[in-house]
Amino acid sequence: DAGVTQSPTHLIKTRGQQVTLRCSPKSGHDTVSWYQQALGQGPQFIFQYYEEEERQRGNFPDRFSGHQFPNYSSELNVNALLLGDSALYLCASSSGTLFTDTQYFGPGTRLTVL
Amino acid sequence: AQRVTQPEKLLSVFKGAPVELKCNYSYSGSPELFWYVQYSRQRLQLLLRHISRESIKGFTADLNKGETSFHLKKPFAQEEDSAMYYCALRSNAGNMLTFGGGTRLMVKP
Repeated sequence: DAGVTQSPTHLIKTRGQQVTLRCSPKSGHDTVSWYQQALGQGPQFIFQYYEEEERQRGNFPDRFSGHQFPNYSSELNVNALLLGDSALYLCASSSGTLFTDTQYFGPGTRLTVL
Repeated sequence: AQRVTQPEKLLSVFKGAPVELKCNYSYSGSPELFWYVQYSRQRLQLLLRHISRESIKGFTADLNKGETSFHLKKPFAQEEDSAMYYCALRSNAGNMLTFGGGTRLMVKP
C-alpha cells in the first residue's frame, strides 16, 4: 500500500488562474481531508469529504472547492489564485465509519503563485 | 473557537539531554490531542495521541486539562529525534484537526 498519494508534486501558477490538485486515499479509507500549510506554519484545515459530500469546512473562501469521486479519491480546486495561496497542500485520509480514526497524510503538493 | 499554541519555534538540545516540547490549547469541550512528527523529506505522521496513553520512540505526553496543556517529553534525546513536531487538537464535533505552528527539534551530537 503506497499510502496517501498526491499529484502533482509541485506546480507554478500565476495570479488569477485556476488549479486542481488530486489525492488518492490510503487503501480502505473513505474520507479525505485537505489542509493548507503556509511556509513556517502548521497545517490549516480546508474541508473534508465523505460519501462524495463536503462534511466539514474550515475558514476558507468559496474560491476553494472540492470533489470526491466514487472511488474515494478527491480533488481540491482553487479559483482566481492569489499570491497568498502559495503553500503546501496536504491531503489526509481516514475511515469515515470510525469517526475518530487517525488521519494519514500524503506528501503534499507545493503550489507557487507568481 | 479552538486554538493550539506551540510557543517555541526551535528547540535545540544535546544528545542524551531531556526534551520537552510545549503545547497549550484552548477549547471549551473535551478535546482529543495528538502529536504529529515530520522527519526530513518525509510526510507528516502521527507520533502519539493522548487517549492511547502509550510511549512511542520514548516519547510520552500527558493531557493536563487544568493547565490546558499537552507537552511532549522524552528523557534522553537522540539525534534521530531531530524533526518538526506539531501538536494538534480534534474537537468532539468532527474529525478536523487544528494544528499548532510547530516546533523544530534539533538534537546535537
